[in-house]
Amino acid sequence: QVQLVQSGAEVKKPGSSVKVSCKASGDTFTSYTISWVRLAPGQGLEWMGRIIPLFGSPNYAQKFQGRVTITADESTNTAYMELSSLRSEDTAIYYCAKSNGGNFDFWGQGTLVTVSS
Amino acid sequence: DIQMTQSPSSLSASVGDRVTITCRASQSISSYLNWYQQKPGKAPKVLIYSASNVQSGVPSRFSGSGSGTDFTLTISSLQPEDFATYYCQQSYSTSYSFGQGTKLEIK
Repeated sequence: QVQLVQSGAEVKKPGSSVKVSCKASGDTFTSYTISWVRLAPGQGLEWMGRIIPLFGSPNYAQKFQGRVTITADESTNTAYMELSSLRSEDTAIYYCAKSNGGNFDFWGQGTLVTVSS
Repeated sequence: DIQMTQSPSSLSASVGDRVTITCRASQSISSYLNWYQQKPGKAPKVLIYSASNVQSGVPSRFSGSGSGTDFTLTISSLQPEDFATYYCQQSYSTSYSFGQGTKLEIK
């Protein structure tokens, strides 16, 4: 049984960056894919990008290209999502999720990021 | 990126009703289509994977069908705990994407 535990809520100023972590336990970290998905107020789920820790190379949704960086640290079984040039529209709950053959079968608890001046 | 369009965006129904939600892809995605349920304050939960396979532990009243560009999620007899928001998601391309969601409310 995989468990994904995310870092705590953040409040950021417009134009700054945020880095959210996702620590995995219960399975071999390098054997699966970790994606980041967000849910903004009044909006639907939005896939941001993913990484396969074994290979280290991420891919990103076109919308976030150039603003998001997803990394993974095999030594600590932790994935990270950094989003830069924050604006108010980035206020959302950010989730990490493990995918198994393309579907997200385990999710972190979510991290609320609030962007406000 | 592949665009996923769900309909309806919202739906009112009663306990015991049969409900169908549809999802259309902007190009063929074979059977690489998954369905999720999300309740307020909770992470999403996978219900159906690969278009028609029911995830372990999900009640049998949930079913999925379709292939290519058109897919459906059916709840055969709504229960009180089924009132939530439902999303489809494609995993055909290396850039995944979700539908905009269908909010299922109590009539």
